[in-house]
Amino acid sequence: SQQGEEDPQALSIQEGENATMNCSYKTSINNLQWYRQNSGRGLVHLILIRSNEREKHSGRLRVTLDTSKKSSSLLITASRAADTASYFCATDGDTGFQKLVFGTGTRLLVSP
Amino acid sequence: GAGVSQSPRYKVAKRGQDVALRCDPISGHVSLFWYQQALGQGPEFLTYFQNEAQLDKSGLPSDRFFAERPEGSVSTLKIQRTQQEDSAVYLCASSLRGVNNEQFFGPGTRLTVL
Repeated sequence: SQQGEEDPQALSIQEGENATMNCSYKTSINNLQWYRQNSGRGLVHLILIRSNEREKHSGRLRVTLDTSKKSSSLLITASRAADTASYFCATDGDTGFQKLVFGTGTRLLVSP
Repeated sequence: GAGVSQSPRYKVAKRGQDVALRCDPISGHVSLFWYQQALGQGPEFLTYFQNEAQLDKSGLPSDRFFAERPEGSVSTLKIQRTQQEDSAVYLCASSLRGVNNEQFFGPGTRLTVL
């Protein structure tokens, strides 16, 4: 079963706008990761945030983590058509360091 | 390339057939994972290897599913007597043990059971 849910399930924006996706999870974690999946391709790792971190940046990506609320958000600034993809959060859950437990994903559509 | 590769990319099987899906991880990666992704869903964990040892197979949905990694490199996921509910994309990932837990995914094998 999925660890948690992402919100919204689908998001449609124009190029240049910002996109925010939220992720909620159920158990304690060591870290949380965000992945992108383009149609017909495998998952690409975007960013990892540890449980003792609150915010992390990587290029146009900004991730926040609130362990008290068991939630995370991914912000993509100045979006591009190439950002069109599904975005998943993944946690290592409470069963160890190796297994990833994914959310249900947000499908982002960026229109030119 | 140096990424994770999987074969075949697409597999169509008749119900009841056996299938074998192959994963070639990144050279030197100790950890190897298999995930199952149903349409419109996130990937779900199936099994995990550290070198040749299968340390976690808690996600395998039934005893029809079997995975091996005999030499600690290439892995095969075998599904016996396939059922329609086995239709999904099967993703393989590898990682360096103990390094941030970043997993590198292959393109997946899309299995369709008719």
